[in-house]
Amino acid sequence: SQTIHQWPATLVQPVGSPLSLECTVEGTSNPNLYWYRQAAGRGLQLLFYSVGIGQISSEVPQNLSASRPQDRQFILSSKKLLLSDSGFYLCACQDRGRTDTQYFGPGTRLTVL
Amino acid sequence: EDQVTQSPEALRLQEGESSSLNCSYTVSGLRGLFWYRQDPGKGPEFLFTLYSAGEEKEKERLKATLTKKESFLHITAPKPEDSATYLCAVQAIGNQFYFGTGTSLTVIP
Repeated sequence: SQTIHQWPATLVQPVGSPLSLECTVEGTSNPNLYWYRQAAGRGLQLLFYSVGIGQISSEVPQNLSASRPQDRQFILSSKKLLLSDSGFYLCACQDRGRTDTQYFGPGTRLTVL
Repeated sequence: EDQVTQSPEALRLQEGESSSLNCSYTVSGLRGLFWYRQDPGKGPEFLFTLYSAGEEKEKERLKATLTKKESFLHITAPKPEDSATYLCAVQAIGNQFYFGTGTSLTVIP
C-alpha cells in the first residue's frame, strides 16, 4: 500500500513571502495526485490534480501553482502568500487500480501572518 | 448540481450509545462512495469504499451502508476513541470527487 509524505508539517509565513510544500508518494507508480485545502470547520477544497508528470489541472483560480517534476512528487507553490492562503493543505494519492480510493498524507498547517 | 451533504454537523453520544451518520448525495453517475475518519490536525484516514446500492462494509464498531441516494455510517456501542470527524466523499463517472463537510462525533465516557 502507498505511503504519502508531506513536509513541512507546520509553517508560519509572512504575507507576501513565497511558499513551497512538498508531497512524495511511496509504494505505487503513476498515481493520480491531488492538492486540497481544508479551512477550519469547512470541507475539502480541491486545488490541483495531476494524472502524470508535468500534467497539472487547476480547479480554483488563485495565486497558487502546482508542479509534478517526478512521477511520485507533487509540489504546491506560491510567489506571494496572502492571508487567505492560511489553512490545512492535504496531498492525496489515488489508487488507480481496483478501488480508485484516495489516500491522504498527514497534511501541512500553513499560517500566513 | 453534484453535491454531498452530511448530517448532523455534530453529534455527542454517551459511551455505548449507538447511532448513525448520514451522507446524502446527488451525482450524475456514481463510481464509488468513500468514508474517512479525520482526527484533529491529521489527514483523513480511509475507512470504507462502497460501489453499489445494497452494499455493506464493516470494521470493528463501524458499518457503512449504501442506497441510491445516501449512505449511513452506523456506530455500534461507541467508545471515546471513536471521537473524530467522519467525512464522506463521492466519486462521479468523470472521476471528480465531491466531499461533504463532515460530522464531528464526540463520545463521552
